[in-house]
Amino acid sequence: QKEVEQNSGPLSVPEGAIASLNCTYSDRVSQSFFWYRQYSGKSPELIMSIYSNGDKEDGRFTAQLNKASQYVSLLIRDSQPSDSATYLCAVIPGGKLIFGQGTELSVKP
Amino acid sequence: DAGITQSPRHKVTETGTPVTLRCHQTENHRYMYWYRQDPGHGLRLIHYSYGVKDTDKGEVSDGYSVSRSKTEDFLLTLESATSSQTSVYFCATNPGQNTEAFFGQGTRLTVV
Repeated sequence: QKEVEQNSGPLSVPEGAIASLNCTYSDRVSQSFFWYRQYSGKSPELIMSIYSNGDKEDGRFTAQLNKASQYVSLLIRDSQPSDSATYLCAVIPGGKLIFGQGTELSVKP
Repeated sequence: DAGITQSPRHKVTETGTPVTLRCHQTENHRYMYWYRQDPGHGLRLIHYSYGVKDTDKGEVSDGYSVSRSKTEDFLLTLESATSSQTSVYFCATNPGQNTEAFFGQGTRLTVV
């Protein structure tokens, strides 16, 4: 079992819809969870971090964490074509920063 | 953005030659990481460092070595490059365990 798993996609949503990205992790000692966005040919950039169970909102982005189910998700409301990118989930078990394989999101005008 | 600089940005090298990639940071971050990114595989951890001269292996460490003699520099060495090491390499840093990490611009390495 991989330490961090994501559906690779591609996930296609129409402009203005809600995009839902999911991630599961295997190591229960993980305390910190991150979502990164990566445009083609660019470096990953941090968009959300979450440390406690529940929801965290930042503008159009909401991260949700459920440690009991070892599940973290990212919701993007009012999706825009500029949100089209690969979204990477990351966790830090014991100091190692581990990434999932990423989910490619395509927002169609 | 954190001051993280990777060099070189692009390199073409021949099979069997040694190659060293450099990651330099000006943020005084304790942790530094090296990843490779290949289509369909996401970011895979090669090695990471949790302090000067303190390093550990990641999931794809075979064929790679690292060194960290000072806080600001983390070097990745391919002792004898192979075509399977053709990839985009990213460096990342964070100030402490469980904190947000930031990335360098990446190095595109081609082994011919």
